[in-house]
Amino acid sequence: GAVVSQHPSWVICKSGTSVKIECRSLDFQATTMFWYRQFPKQSLMLMATSNEGSKATYEQGVEKDKFLINHASLTLSTLTVTSAHPEDSSFYICRTRTGEYGYTFGSGTRLTVV
Amino acid sequence: DAKTTQPTSMDCAEGRAANLPCNHSTISGNEYVYWYRQIHSQGPQYIIHGLKNNETNEMASLIITEDRKSSTLILPHATLRDTAVYYCIVRSIQIQGAQKLVFGQGTRLTINP
Repeated sequence: GAVVSQHPSWVICKSGTSVKIECRSLDFQATTMFWYRQFPKQSLMLMATSNEGSKATYEQGVEKDKFLINHASLTLSTLTVTSAHPEDSSFYICRTRTGEYGYTFGSGTRLTVV
Repeated sequence: DAKTTQPTSMDCAEGRAANLPCNHSTISGNEYVYWYRQIHSQGPQYIIHGLKNNETNEMASLIITEDRKSSTLILPHATLRDTAVYYCIVRSIQIQGAQKLVFGQGTRLTINP
């Protein structure tokens, strides 16, 4: 089946630095990528939607200048957490649509900001 | 999208059938019922989906009531590896474009040995 490869699976960074998370669609083209954030013991919250070749659409309350999304090709979408702070520590997950009914998720990235 | 209601947590003995209920009383005619599960620190995994008829695949069975206001996911022979959070989501199928999936709190299913 369709696979979305997400890297890194976990990262620890210092406050004030930036972290880039990549999601690659393997063997298929992902026109649209959805990015979610999940805090411990909570559900997934949609952050933004990226479309190949255009600007991302952010959900209410998500800072677009802090969470930079790039979807430059049909197989790669990236989320960059800029000037990370401890409150940005979370589990970040990407998702795309595969086929008429299917949705495939990446394996997630656990970000810890110290 | 229709809102779903699920129990916060459930327990089931290993080897028994796990039945996870979901209420979606405001579901509309063109909305499908999807089930996903999330094992700790992993991305959600697709389980099954359906519209009106009951569905079965290698992972589970989905029973949808005739009025479509509720459904039950059945794991026929639960194993310890089925311990996860299970999400019931209803979503319409649009002809064009991809759709947002809105996740509720899900049911935390614990399989006990």
